Amino acid sequence: ETGVTQTPRHLVMGMTNKKSLKCEQHLGHNAMYWYKQSAKKPLELMFVYSLEERVENNSVPSRFSPECPNSSHLFLHLHTLQPEDSALYLCASSQDHAGYTGELFFGEGSRLTVL
Amino acid sequence: TQLLEQSPQFLSIQEGENLTVYCNSSSVFSSLQWYRQEPGEGPVLLVTVVTGGEVKKLKRLTFQFGDARKDSSLHITAAQTGDTGLYLCAGEPAGGGADGLTFGKGTHLIIQP
Repeated sequence: ETGVTQTPRHLVMGMTNKKSLKCEQHLGHNAMYWYKQSAKKPLELMFVYSLEERVENNSVPSRFSPECPNSSHLFLHLHTLQPEDSALYLCASSQDHAGYTGELFFGEGSRLTVL
Repeated sequence: TQLLEQSPQFLSIQEGENLTVYCNSSSVFSSLQWYRQEPGEGPVLLVTVVTGGEVKKLKRLTFQFGDARKDSSLHITAAQTGDTGLYLCAGEPAGGGADGLTFGKGTHLIIQP
């Protein structure tokens, strides 16, 4: 098993669809993250979970809804997205997130296209 | 908001050449990380620098953290086609915080055979 796995790798959806991205980490880490990677922009932190509690929500629109049922799994639920939401969504984990992130271990990403 | 500016944005050179890419900020970071992201993959950590003036070497890659901990550079000697990728720098803000790492936009590096 690789460290952080994301599914699906590619997703095409219409603006009225509901879909979910899944992330699973096999590293025993306590913190998990969702990042958005768009062309010509820095990686944007969307959500942080530490010990299954959400600790950060960087003014992300409500059409993105995270869920962390346990320390190994993280979901990003998508609903009524806009074309500008098309991007690579990266999941990452780190040992802890207590004021210090340390090394991030990234998944391969889910490439999302919104039509 | 702490920003990290990376330059150049794009760089294409021949195999065997040397190159340096930069990561600059007006803010102080407690540490700075460099990641490499290959097409279709997520970023992978190359190195973390912590001390001002620190130099770390990873085979043909040399990383330096500025004395004031506001900037960093990555020098590659005798570049190889396998060095092709997106190089990202990421800073841990001094004093920590819930915002986590600040990322630069990256340098797209292409090494031509």
